[in-house]
Amino acid sequence: QVMLQESGPGLVRPSETLSLTCSVSGASMRNYYWTWIRQPPGKGLEWIGYVYYSGSTKYNPSLNSRGTISVDTSNNQFSLKLTSVTAADTAVYYCARVTDSTWYFDYWGQGTLVTVSS
Amino acid sequence: DIQMTQSPSSVSASVGDRVTITCRASQGISRWLAWYQQKPGKAPKFLIYVASSLQSGVPSRFSVSGSGTDFTLTISSLQPEDFATYYCQQANDFPFTFGPGTQVDLK
Repeated sequence: QVMLQESGPGLVRPSETLSLTCSVSGASMRNYYWTWIRQPPGKGLEWIGYVYYSGSTKYNPSLNSRGTISVDTSNNQFSLKLTSVTAADTAVYYCARVTDSTWYFDYWGQGTLVTVSS
Repeated sequence: DIQMTQSPSSVSASVGDRVTITCRASQGISRWLAWYQQKPGKAPKFLIYVASSLQSGVPSRFSVSGSGTDFTLTISSLQPEDFATYYCQQANDFPFTFGPGTQVDLK
């Protein structure tokens, strides 16, 4: 069974960099896209971006070029870095796998709350 | 970006009721639409997508229809475990976008 688990600091100071890692188990990362999605408290879902197992990436323009997603297939992990954070970046961050051949998200991590506050 | 809207924003229903949720895209997305179920404090769960069948383990009381800009998710006979928030997601174009959600709660 495919399992994903997010890890990283739960509190980040304004203007600093948010860093999260997603550990994947139960499946190879090869031939799949891997993605980050976030959900501000009490609000809806926002797609952040994806990374292919080969390292290619695509991001939501709403991030204004602040996001970087990278992959480490040797350790079955992928990561998100978001620079210059503000309170608007406070959210539960989910990592997920993109389905084979379609752009849906079939396996999700449990999510991790990141609060941006001084 | 393609904007997704859902109606109603919330619905109160009883066990056994038939519930229909509508999702509308701001432009045509063919049949590239999926639905997710989210319970409080949990990650969304991938339920079903329009162009194919239910995901493994998802009960047959869930069904979807639509194409272009208008889509529906129907729960034929609501069960206690179905009380949750439902989100649609378009996969026709980047950036992928979600609807604002429809909360299904107990009447």
